[in-house]
Amino acid sequence: GDSVTQMEGPVTLSEEAFLTINCTYTATGYPSLFWYVQYPGEGLQLLLKATKADDKGSNKGFEATYRKETTSFHLEKGSVQVSDSAVYFCALSTNSGGSNYKLTFGKGTLLTVNP
Amino acid sequence: DAGVIQSPRHEVTEMGQEVTLRCKPISGHNSLFWYRQTMMRGLELLIYFNNNVPIDDSGMPEDRFSAKMPNASFSTLKIQPSEPRDSAVYFCASSLGQGIAQFFGPGTRLTVL
Repeated sequence: GDSVTQMEGPVTLSEEAFLTINCTYTATGYPSLFWYVQYPGEGLQLLLKATKADDKGSNKGFEATYRKETTSFHLEKGSVQVSDSAVYFCALSTNSGGSNYKLTFGKGTLLTVNP
Repeated sequence: DAGVIQSPRHEVTEMGQEVTLRCKPISGHNSLFWYRQTMMRGLELLIYFNNNVPIDDSGMPEDRFSAKMPNASFSTLKIQPSEPRDSAVYFCASSLGQGIAQFFGPGTRLTVL
């Protein structure tokens, strides 16, 4: 079945450090890929997405490129801020029959950025 | 624009009581999803609806859980009877169209004593 594997956390960085959170997936067909972010006490928010191979999703300084050959969608940011501290979820969207789609999430990676 | 609305935001109840969680999706969205999040199991999809019809309820843990979507603007998730192991944050999400990103509500934090 479909699955998403993302790097185990927690990840602790100093402000302005470079961030990479690895994500790989297994899916039949051609999934859409997403990164969601969850700030403390809140619901998940869409951070960025990519719908086909070689697409790059970007938002708020974060980027991820859909790599079909390596089945990966790694999240990167060049210079993290304290406000980026949150849990990050990688997810894929696949067809579950007819016109029905659902998301499969990774387990989440907790990022803490220290000043 | 109003996002996904969930109520209540917090619920504390005693074991054996019935609990009803409510969700109003974003207007115009045709898919609705219920998730449960715990530290141990992470984020789990419980059930989802497309055009008010339940499509996949394989994630519903047991018969104590039930969900309905009587119309396009309202859904409920009911637990009867509740147990302490049901304590979690329950999220509702909605989306429009195929393969499109889901928008999450703020969640309901349920504590069963």
